[in-house]
Amino acid sequence: DAGITQSPRYKITETGRQVTLMCHQTWSHSYMFWYRQDLGHGLRLIYYSAAADITDKGEVPDGYVVSRSKTENFPLTLESATRSQTSVYFCASSGGFEVYGYTFGSGTRLTVV
Amino acid sequence: GENVGLHLPTLSVQEGDNSIINCAYSNSASDYFIWYKQESGKGPQFIIDIRSNMDKRQGQRVTVLLNKTVKHLSLQIAATQPGDSAVYFCAEISNAGGTSYGKLTFGQGTILTVHP
Repeated sequence: DAGITQSPRYKITETGRQVTLMCHQTWSHSYMFWYRQDLGHGLRLIYYSAAADITDKGEVPDGYVVSRSKTENFPLTLESATRSQTSVYFCASSGGFEVYGYTFGSGTRLTVV
Repeated sequence: GENVGLHLPTLSVQEGDNSIINCAYSNSASDYFIWYKQESGKGPQFIIDIRSNMDKRQGQRVTVLLNKTVKHLSLQIAATQPGDSAVYFCAEISNAGGTSYGKLTFGQGTILTVHP
C-alpha cells in the first residue's frame, strides 16, 4: 500500500539500550523528517533529510543518529536510550513543501524505563 | 529562537457552531503556513495551507486567515461537527536558507472539543 509507515507502533526499552525506529515511504519523496512529540513542547524536529545520503540536524538532535542509504527509508537510532527520550516519534515525508505539504506516519510510542 | 504559538490551549463548542482557532508566530521570514489536525493516536493530518503572499484561503468548511502585520494566523471551521474534535496545530516554514524545502516549526496545539 502507498503511504508512510512507522515501526514498531509501541516500544519499551531500558535505559542505555540502543533502539532503532523505522520509517518507510512509498512515494519516492525526496524529503524525510523525524519529529518527537511531548506534552508542553508540541512537535520538535530531530533530524531531516533532503535526499539519500543527505541528512542534517534539527532542533533536538542530541542522542539520536539517522541514516538514509535508500530514498524510501529513514531510520532513527537512539544510541543509548535515556528516560528523557520517552516520547511519541513521528516520521514525515514531503515531495516539496509548497506543493505537497508534509505527510506524517502514525507514530511510534517509545517508553524508556 | 523563532517559534509559533497558540493563544488558547482548549476550545469547546456546540455542534453546528463555527470554531475559530488562533495562532501567533514570531518569524517574520515565514513563507508558508499550514494547519494540521491530530486525532488521538494518529499523526498530524494536513488541513489547509496558505502562503505568505495571501491573506485568506478557503477549503471545504475551513478558512485560514493570515495577518502579517500582527503575525497572526487563524483557522475557522464552519458548522463544526463532533468528528472535528482533535488537537489543531499551526506550523510555519521559513525558506530563509534558500533551500528548496523548509523545516516545519509547530505551535503548541489547541484542543477542540465539539459537544453534540
